[in-house]
Amino acid sequence: DAGVTQSPTHLIKTRGQQVTLRCSPKSGHDTVSWYQQALGQGPQFIFQYYEEEERQRGNFPDRFSGHQFPNYSSELNVNALLLGDSALYLCASSLLAGLGDEQFFGPGTRLTVL
Amino acid sequence: AQKITQTQPGMFVQEKEAVTLDCTYDTSDPSYGLFWYKQPSSGEMIFLIYQGSYDQQNATEGRYSLNFQKARKSANLVISASQLGDSAMYFCAMSPDSNYQLIWGAGTKLIIKP
Repeated sequence: DAGVTQSPTHLIKTRGQQVTLRCSPKSGHDTVSWYQQALGQGPQFIFQYYEEEERQRGNFPDRFSGHQFPNYSSELNVNALLLGDSALYLCASSLLAGLGDEQFFGPGTRLTVL
Repeated sequence: AQKITQTQPGMFVQEKEAVTLDCTYDTSDPSYGLFWYKQPSSGEMIFLIYQGSYDQQNATEGRYSLNFQKARKSANLVISASQLGDSAMYFCAMSPDSNYQLIWGAGTKLIIKP
């Protein structure tokens, strides 16, 4: 049973460019959450998708957008990249992320913006 | 405000000793969940243990136990008989019932000395 997978593993972009990160949830999971983790800090919630809709959003600008497909996989898009967007981007999946539902994490995508 | 505080940026512990990692939380939700995750240098978040706010007993998972003191709003992680492989970042996180996201602390870097 495959766990959460993310692609690519590493990515280097320049300021102003756009990037798309991909996530496939653990088998049987229908909810995908995205987190940004800057170096030396805890993760920050970007948004969560359930039934192909954004269910909740954290304090991130509109440059960050996402999508969930019918097979529950998800994409995170970041437009007009800034140096401060350099971080580890973590995808987590769960079954209806409610109280006590463990979120399973992928290995992350490390984004470097030059 | 909903917040997780981890006051120990780093800890050095001798192999085979027990270690306690501190976590305090703040929420006005009567119902919430508390999680501990381990993050090795590879970046992937590994779930360790979960405690629900209404659970009467402290959670245990193998060498991990959670010292839950609700009145003090603390949820300390205890690792018994530490091993070299326990060296990693450790994050405390909270899932309030009013919220789908995980709220994270800044983490504690644990280094086990041989």
